[in-house]
This record gives sequence, C-alpha cells and structure tokens, in this order.
Amino acid sequence: DAGITQSPRHKVTETGTPVTLRCHQTENHRYMYWYRQDPGHGLRLIHYSYGVKDTDKGEVSDGYSVSRSKTEDFLLTLESATSSQTSVYFCAISEPGAGTEAFFGQGTRLTVV
Amino acid sequence: GIQVEQSPPDLILQEGANSTLRCNFSDSVNNLQWFHQNPWGQLINLFYIPSGTKQNGRLSATTVATERYSLLYISSSQTTDSGVYFCAVERSSFQKLVFGTGTRLLVSP
Repeated sequence: DAGITQSPRHKVTETGTPVTLRCHQTENHRYMYWYRQDPGHGLRLIHYSYGVKDTDKGEVSDGYSVSRSKTEDFLLTLESATSSQTSVYFCAISEPGAGTEAFFGQGTRLTVV
Repeated sequence: GIQVEQSPPDLILQEGANSTLRCNFSDSVNNLQWFHQNPWGQLINLFYIPSGTKQNGRLSATTVATERYSLLYISSSQTTDSGVYFCAVERSSFQKLVFGTGTRLLVSP
C-alpha cells in the first residue's frame, strides 16, 4: 500500500466552525490532491499541489483552502463548514511524468450538522 | 472539460459469472486508471492503462484510445469483487483525474 495517511478518519462538526483535514505521505511524491466523493458524482477534485507552497484550484474549490509547507503534508481547510460540505474526502498522491499512477488514502468522512 | 461515462450503473451477478464494464471518454487522454472501491470505502488501484491491454489474475482491461473507450473484464466473479468500479482519466497537466460516476457491482453467492 502507498504510504498515505489521512487524519482524522471521521469527524462530526457544527455549521460555521473551521475544520482542517490532514494528508501525510511517506512516498516523497511531488503531487498531492484533495478530492471529495458524493453520491451520484464520483470523485471531484477540490485542490491540488504540484510542489511545496505550489497549489491550485480544482473543479469544486469554493469554501476550501489548502496549504503545503512540507513535501509530505497537504492540509485541507474548511474555513466555515456548511452542510453541503458533508462528504467523504480523499487525498491522493502521484509523481509527474508519463506512466505514473495516482494512489489514494483511505478517506475522511466529514459530517457537518 | 472532459466527460467520462460508465456503464452499466448497476450490475448484479451470481458468483462465477463474467462481466464487462465500460468507460467512454469525450477527448484524448494521457492517463486512464481503473479503481475498485470496496465496501469499506477504500480505493484500490486496478490498472493504469492509457492504451492497450493488461491482465491481472481474473481481471483484465483494454483501452482503445483512438475510439475513446476502455473496458474492464471480470471473469469468474467472487463475492469479494463487490463494490464500485471507477474509471478515471487525465488529460491536462499535473495528472488531475476526472472520474466517472462508477459501476456498482454486487456479486451474490
């Protein structure tokens, strides 16, 4: 298994509170990603990072921010959680170049009440 | 952006049966991966297959890039094959994957 650890694995939070999800990798991969999974939508890209301090928006970035201060850690922050952000969040890693595949963490189930 | 369609959306099989899952995509791609999401939610890499054919045990996959589709074959299905199968493609830089909505497979004993 790829060395990807997401924390926490489960979280229940109240509307309006800030929440930070952490992704930690031991593979030294350059690229990291945050996706969310919702019924009927598959997985959708929130934000991604192509290097330390280098990040960009994905398809569904509104309401989310990210930071990457070290190669191994990629943080996803919900500044003020809303019920529409109830979802399962997956972190992924990959390397640049042809012939490389992405690997996913085990997911974080977030419920906003 | 690129569109990814998977069919069928749901599939029920008896143990031992064979099946074919299909993934159509709307534009040329640099990368195509198949994943299995098990009942515990874990995403398991099955194949990295932007073109050609690969086999791994009872599973095989074929991508015909010029016709923009990929097929995943499952032979002699087992109950542990149950779950959701996702196709994901990447066209742009930075290997950002675009997922289909998946095929939900249930294999009954």
